[in-house]
Amino acid sequence: DAGVIQSPRHEVTEMGQEVTLRCKPISGHDYLFWYRQTMMRGLELLIYFNNNVPIDDSGMPEDRFSAKMPNASFSTLKIQPSEPRDSAVYFCASSRNTGSFDSPLHFGNGTRLTVT
Amino acid sequence: GQQVMQIPQYQHVQEGEDFTTYCNSSTTLSNIQWYKQRPGGHPVFLIQLVKSGEVKKQKRLTFQFGEAKKNSSLHITATQTTDVGTYFCGRQAGTALIFGKGTTLSVSS
Repeated sequence: DAGVIQSPRHEVTEMGQEVTLRCKPISGHDYLFWYRQTMMRGLELLIYFNNNVPIDDSGMPEDRFSAKMPNASFSTLKIQPSEPRDSAVYFCASSRNTGSFDSPLHFGNGTRLTVT
Repeated sequence: GQQVMQIPQYQHVQEGEDFTTYCNSSTTLSNIQWYKQRPGGHPVFLIQLVKSGEVKKQKRLTFQFGEAKKNSSLHITATQTTDVGTYFCGRQAGTALIFGKGTTLSVSS
């Protein structure tokens, strides 16, 4: 089992640039989550999908953020235009069925985004 | 969804001392999950508690779920340097997990 795969691991960009973060969930998992982690706010849920369909995007901070899941094995989180306050670690996680003892969240290694 | 409150935010202990972190909610929880994140790493699932008053143990770690299902605790007996990291509790909100801000544990030998 390869686990949840995120790319890139690190991203440094200038304010105003477009940033795209990528995630490949564990095969067979039907839930995919995007979280953002900062010292101030902790782990915030941004959006999550079930069977490739967005279920709740109320955590997406602004219209500058968008997420897609075109198929069961790939999701993107895009920020356009990026701002320095977007600097954070972005985690992708997947699960078979949240709340089940057999299906906890499996997190990727995260993407550390720095916007200068 | 309402975030669960975790206390303390930070805790430093000497190796061999015990450690406890608490997770509190103003509403009744259907279940609670605990995760550990090592420095520079990602959250890793530890355990899920479902039943009122439930107590589960994993080696030196003891997890409890309150009788009213509004609070939970994680207790580590005789901490080791390998216990360093941030411990998060997460509450279910629909089919997603909402996490507390975590308790960061540091251990000096």
